[in-house]
Amino acid sequence: ETGVTQTPRHLVMGMTNKKSLKCEQHLGHNAMYWYKQSAKKPLELMFVYNFKEQTENNSVPSRFSPECPNSSHLFLHLHTLQPEDSALYLCASSQEVGGGQNIQYFGAGTRLSVL
Amino acid sequence: QKEVEQDPGPLSVPEGAIVSLNCTYSNSAFQYFMWYRQYSRKGPELLMYTYSSGNKEDGRFTAQVDKSSKYISLFIRDSQPSDSATYLCAMSGAPNTGTASKLTFGTGTRLQVTL
Repeated sequence: ETGVTQTPRHLVMGMTNKKSLKCEQHLGHNAMYWYKQSAKKPLELMFVYNFKEQTENNSVPSRFSPECPNSSHLFLHLHTLQPEDSALYLCASSQEVGGGQNIQYFGAGTRLSVL
Repeated sequence: QKEVEQDPGPLSVPEGAIVSLNCTYSNSAFQYFMWYRQYSRKGPELLMYTYSSGNKEDGRFTAQVDKSSKYISLFIRDSQPSDSATYLCAMSGAPNTGTASKLTFGTGTRLQVTL
């Protein structure tokens, strides 16, 4: 158990569906992150939240909508996705953003397939 | 030029071999260096963390940082089949700087240790 839990582990959705990914961290951290991991590419940072406030949106299309109701929970709402959005979506947490060490702890990810 | 370069592999070695994994980077602001290990269908897990230049050893693993050459390495001694995974290097900058707020990752090197 890594301390960061993601659900669901696998998701198949059509391009017209709406779904949500959930992340919960039990580490007492204040920062949470969404990443996209595609084959043969570095992890792509999507969104950053620090103390529930969004501090970074890495030019992510609006069909991805994050929500952070508190420091322990993070959601990624998905709608009208494209097949190229199929990837592993990883959630991570760290003590806070910009503190220097920035050691991030990852969940197991949600494997998303868009048909 | 990518900020962080990492040979994607795959790298195949026999059990018991010494493995050397490397990353080069271009941003001299990076001060914190990490190695993550990612097993298939899992999220990345932190393996080693170092600050600035120097060596750090933890069991069979040694991390080296050479800031003058902008080069980091991870050595695995007496490699085991259970070491088969993708190894990601990651780095960030000093507190309260633009590079402190996020980790910059390499693409990952896939390692296969054979019996």
